[in-house]
Amino acid sequence: DADVTQTPRNRITKTGKRIMLECSQTKGHDRMYWYRQDPGLGLRLIYYSFDVKDINKGEISDGYSVSRQAQAKFSLSLESAIPNQTALYFCATSDWTGYTDTQYFGPGTRLTVL
Amino acid sequence: AQSVTQLGSHVSVSEGALVLLRCNYSSSVPPYLFWYVQYPNQGLQLLLKYTTGATLVKGINGFEAEFKKSETSFHLTKPSAHMSDEAEYFCAVSPNFGNEKLTFGTGTRLTIIP
Repeated sequence: DADVTQTPRNRITKTGKRIMLECSQTKGHDRMYWYRQDPGLGLRLIYYSFDVKDINKGEISDGYSVSRQAQAKFSLSLESAIPNQTALYFCATSDWTGYTDTQYFGPGTRLTVL
Repeated sequence: AQSVTQLGSHVSVSEGALVLLRCNYSSSVPPYLFWYVQYPNQGLQLLLKYTTGATLVKGINGFEAEFKKSETSFHLTKPSAHMSDEAEYFCAVSPNFGNEKLTFGTGTRLTIIP
């Protein structure tokens, strides 16, 4: 079974709709992240969380919100989706070892906003 | 502040030939450096990472990278390309005190010519 799972894997929605992307992990990691990937732009950090009570904005947080329901669950919401939020979204987890951190990625959610 | 530049968004090599993917970084503090690979329709997978110590780092699938501080580079190489290496490769950098702000390059798509 995959250590980091994302649901749904694909989603088509309309402008103005609220949508939630979910991420679950079984790795027991404290840190979780949401990225979006756009062609030619690489991955950009949306939000990250070091534990249930610690949530931080990333590079491109406008238009997004997150919820860390438990150590294992981190959800990304688009309150009112717009077409330029069409992208591939990745969740990642990591475990701080004291000097380095390796991130483990989920399979991604492809979101299309019409 | 930190950034990563990957030279060449597309690289094609013949099967059996040397693979060289270029990555240059900019960091105001000593960096941690990473290479990730993304196979079609999958999430990112860590290939290798440089933290401290030996500047030549060996990763999975026969890849290696050398940290050259004087050139601010972390190029990825593999002596002999295989068809299974066809994927997109991302270089990433973080400050050396935790990678909550992992910054990715824009990626290089590697095509293997039979």
